Amino acid sequence: GIQVEQSPPDLILQEGANSTLRCNFSDSVNNLQWFHQNPWGQLINLFYIPSGTKQNGRLSATTVATERYSLLYISSSQTTDSGVYFCAVERSVGDYKLSFGAGTTVTVRA
Amino acid sequence: EAGVTQFPSHSVIEKGQTVTLRCDPISGHDNLYWYRRVMGKEIKFLLHFVKESKQDESGMPNNRFLAERTGGTYSTLKVQPAELEDSGVYFCASSQASGIGENIQYFGAGTRLSVL
Repeated sequence: GIQVEQSPPDLILQEGANSTLRCNFSDSVNNLQWFHQNPWGQLINLFYIPSGTKQNGRLSATTVATERYSLLYISSSQTTDSGVYFCAVERSVGDYKLSFGAGTTVTVRA
Repeated sequence: EAGVTQFPSHSVIEKGQTVTLRCDPISGHDNLYWYRRVMGKEIKFLLHFVKESKQDESGMPNNRFLAERTGGTYSTLKVQPAELEDSGVYFCASSQASGIGENIQYFGAGTRLSVL
């Protein structure tokens, strides 16, 4: 199956700092989603981004499909950004199931 | 509009007992998925329903797990009998896509299962 690797595994930030999370995948993909797992355990959709660049407030994401990686940028981090960030990919059209990376645990300190 | 809801949020049972987890997808979503995360491991796919039909159950670990989606609305995942290694968080997700459209999956908060 497709391999999804996220880095770094852990990230500690001071409030206001910027950061970049990376997701590498081993094969071409039809779908890529970034999630934030909040303190209550829910996986919150951040981006659906199989290619290109998107921005939503202080968060933005870029996927370079030809080079098989995606980046999630957090700018001016806040304590509410703490949690685990997951990257997940759907390998091909009609495959539907998502393959997840192990996640990046982000801790933002006040 | 309500999101994906799962019940219960937490279940503690003894080895050998039976547990049933429930998922209510977003209204109008034909696709429903079950995933789970066991301790220290990645979130793994279990199965996929399209309406009431099982489209892909390649991730189901063994025949102690039974998923149903009668009527194509809510789904249940039964574990019988539960074993210690079944402990983890069980997530449900739903999506609207069919064919080659965008398949954005929306997840519930999960059910944390503890088998003692």
